Amino acid sequence: SQQGEEDPQALSIQEGENATMNCSYKTSINNLQWYRQNSGRGLVHLILIRSNEREKHSGRLRVTLDTSKKSSSLLITASRAADTASYFCATDVRGYQKVTFGIGTKLQVIP
Amino acid sequence: SAVISQKPSRDICQRGTSLTIQCQVDSQVTMMFWYRQQPGQSLTLIATANQGSEATYESGFVIDKFPISRPNLTFSTLTVSNMSPEDSSIYLCSVELTVSGANVLTFGAGSRLTVL
Repeated sequence: SQQGEEDPQALSIQEGENATMNCSYKTSINNLQWYRQNSGRGLVHLILIRSNEREKHSGRLRVTLDTSKKSSSLLITASRAADTASYFCATDVRGYQKVTFGIGTKLQVIP
Repeated sequence: SAVISQKPSRDICQRGTSLTIQCQVDSQVTMMFWYRQQPGQSLTLIATANQGSEATYESGFVIDKFPISRPNLTFSTLTVSNMSPEDSSIYLCSVELTVSGANVLTFGAGSRLTVL
């Protein structure tokens, strides 16, 4: 079964705006990861946040993690048309040793 | 990081036929993973392929339907057998890399299968 659930499932914004995607999960994790998938292609790892971290930055990406609420958010600042893709959160669940993917958020950035 | 080549990138297949997808990695890796992504859905792990042993299948996936080979540390194949339209999906090969003590996946570009 899916561990993560992203919210919203689809998001459309204007270029230059910020995009925020949320992910909720159910069990204890070692870390949470975000991946991007351009249309019909393979996934690309974006950023990882460990269970003992609360916030992490990488370029225009900002990830937060709230283990008490079992949720994470991905913020993309100053979005570009090239950010148009599906974004998936994935959890590395304790004791499972496999990464489990959520259902994804489809982001469209309108030029 | 690892570079993964996957082929075919796409194919259109007839019901009842089988298709083998190949995955080549540019470095030796212990485990290779095969995922299925049905249209508009997330990724579901089919099986983990270890070199020198049988693949480990996830619940809902069986070897007769998805036989896997892993002849060496850089190559694996996944066969989708006796295909039906429900098998129309993107099939993705991936490998696990350890980055600062954490496991991160690298994916091939995927094989988009359409079954008529």
